[in-house]
Amino acid sequence: EAGVAQSPRYKIIEKRQSVAFWCNPISGHATLYWYQQILGQGPKLLIQFQNNGVVDDSQLPKDRFSAERLKGVDSTLKIQPAKLEDSAVYLCASSLPGTSDQETQYFGPGTRLLVL
Amino acid sequence: GENVEQHPSTLSVQEGDSAVIKCTYSDSASNYFPWYKQELGKGPQLIIDIRSNVGEKKDQRIAVTLNKTAKHFSLHITETQPEDSAVYFCAATLSSGGYQKVTFGIGTKLQVIP
Repeated sequence: EAGVAQSPRYKIIEKRQSVAFWCNPISGHATLYWYQQILGQGPKLLIQFQNNGVVDDSQLPKDRFSAERLKGVDSTLKIQPAKLEDSAVYLCASSLPGTSDQETQYFGPGTRLLVL
Repeated sequence: GENVEQHPSTLSVQEGDSAVIKCTYSDSASNYFPWYKQELGKGPQLIIDIRSNVGEKKDQRIAVTLNKTAKHFSLHITETQPEDSAVYFCAATLSSGGYQKVTFGIGTKLQVIP
């Protein structure tokens, strides 16, 4: 089965610009996660969707970050405007709730963002 | 909220030796503990996991132990090989109502020297 797809793989922008990342989870996976991974640290959850509803966005900086999953499949994460400290890898993951494997998260390759 | 501490941050071992990575967590309600391996330029990949009702789990050269009382868990890799070189993350998961909240450790960079 195909894994989690993310694009772009790399992005370089100037501070105060906007940027958007796209994620396509594994087919059938109802739960989708966006993580921010700063260099040398573990992934930090930004937002979690169950189908097209938000389950947890408590750590999402809502003044500049937004995310949507309109049809319960693909998702986009946007930063507007970007700050230098947003430089990180943005990881998307998905999981299949209601199964014995429901806690297993499958990660995409990530989008590496550099803000100059 | 949950806090996960992981150490060491870097670990170098000779090929064939064992490697041990340790993590502690703060929330006694956490009930699922996965370990991920992240290679350069890739996303984390699950390598082994353990649930709170089990004390130890083994999969070939990899084993994980969990001490719920002390709130710590460890990853053991035996007979290390160069391809084991990567960053390893532990995580503590709180499962509630069908949803999971995962908190990751800071990561351990493992280098296996041929």
